[in-house]
Amino acid sequence: RKEVEQDPGPFNVPEGATVAFNCTYSNSASQSFFWYRQDCRKEPKLLMSVYSSGNEDGRFTAQLNRASQYISLLIRDSKLSDSATYLCVVMNTGFQKLVFGTGTRLLVSP
Amino acid sequence: DARVTQTPRHKVTEMGQEVTMRCQPILGHNTVFWYRQTMMQGLELLAYFRNRAPLDDSGMPKDRFSAEMPDATLATLKIQPSEPRDSAVYFCASGSPPASVGTDTQYFGPGTRLTVL
Repeated sequence: RKEVEQDPGPFNVPEGATVAFNCTYSNSASQSFFWYRQDCRKEPKLLMSVYSSGNEDGRFTAQLNRASQYISLLIRDSKLSDSATYLCVVMNTGFQKLVFGTGTRLLVSP
Repeated sequence: DARVTQTPRHKVTEMGQEVTMRCQPILGHNTVFWYRQTMMQGLELLAYFRNRAPLDDSGMPKDRFSAEMPDATLATLKIQPSEPRDSAVYFCASGSPPASVGTDTQYFGPGTRLTVL
């Protein structure tokens, strides 16, 4: 079983739709949580950190549920430019060692 | 705009050949990571360094892979001999120790796309 699990998708949604991704992690000692975005044939880039209290950045909202060990990302009012793969990432105690999920692919269509 | 740079961007080689990939971390970053990405396995951490010292290379096949940081501006990943199963995109990332939990950020280079025939 992978340490970070995500639904690979693809999620096909029309422009303007709201879409949510979840991921689960197995290590209860995980300390930090992130969503990264990766465009086709490009490098991953940090989208946002995820905090227990939840955090919002424009159309993006991230939530963390430590008790259930899952992380979510909500995208409102989807844009064509949101089409990408979204990687769920956890960091365990220690030196910045990130563990990546395999990603959820999002396709936003006109 | 500070960026991680990697060379070469693409490499096609034949099985058995040596492959060397290079990475220049962002100036001032003291932690460097090497990742490998394939369709089947996703992103896997191969090795990472802090202040040029290797901290963890448990993700790296030791018999054929080696990673070094000859100086603070250069990290290398070598495969000798290369095999077709090594075909993947190899990313380098750099970062600095976080100010607090949750503020960690790693910046990725554009990757080296390796094909071993």
